[in-house]
Amino acid sequence: SQKIEQNSEALNIQEGKTATLTCNYTNYSPAYLQWYRQDPGRGPVFLLLIRENEKEKRKERLKVTFDTTLKQSLFHITASQPADSATYLCAPRQGGKLIFGQGTELSVKP
Amino acid sequence: DTEVTQTPKHLVMGMTNKKSLKCEQHMGHRAMYWYKQKAKKPPELMFVYSYEKLSINESVPSRFSPECPNSSLLNLHLHALQPEDSALYLCASSQVQTGRYEQYFGPGTRLTVT
Repeated sequence: SQKIEQNSEALNIQEGKTATLTCNYTNYSPAYLQWYRQDPGRGPVFLLLIRENEKEKRKERLKVTFDTTLKQSLFHITASQPADSATYLCAPRQGGKLIFGQGTELSVKP
Repeated sequence: DTEVTQTPKHLVMGMTNKKSLKCEQHMGHRAMYWYKQKAKKPPELMFVYSYEKLSINESVPSRFSPECPNSSLLNLHLHALQPEDSALYLCASSQVQTGRYEQYFGPGTRLTVT
């Protein structure tokens, strides 16, 4: 069956370090994959979209990669700040809809 | 204006009540969505409207009834809900061709069924 897996544990890092979040998917081949940030009690906020023919996309301190052979996307936040603490959701497109992974909770300590 | 608004912010209803959730966007998006989100879980898609027509219903129980009266408005009518329906209900919008464009989410309605 089709499955999306993100880092199962919460990720705790020190301010200034690079956070790397993983999204693995199995049994399908999405043409698009999106990343969202969600703060407690609020709706998700779009961060980046990457297409299957793109290896990498950047936006300010954010970078996402998409490896269709490994069926994996990596999401990096460089020079992390306490304000980056949130849950990050990957969402590959499948069957004309977005399917959200369970999310990775990131905590950046000062 | 890149905002999706949802009302009410909080709603408490009994199992015999009828209530409605409302969602509005003025970005000219022709795809609109309802999601349900339980604590510590990802958003789960319920319905998709494309050009004001229902295009996806994820086998949602009939006690949830969506409506899209025009291209800016989306409603979710609730009737005879169960306590397990308590959750955050999120509305989102995007350009059509889901997945090719980012979705803009509203702040959600926190629903409690007693």
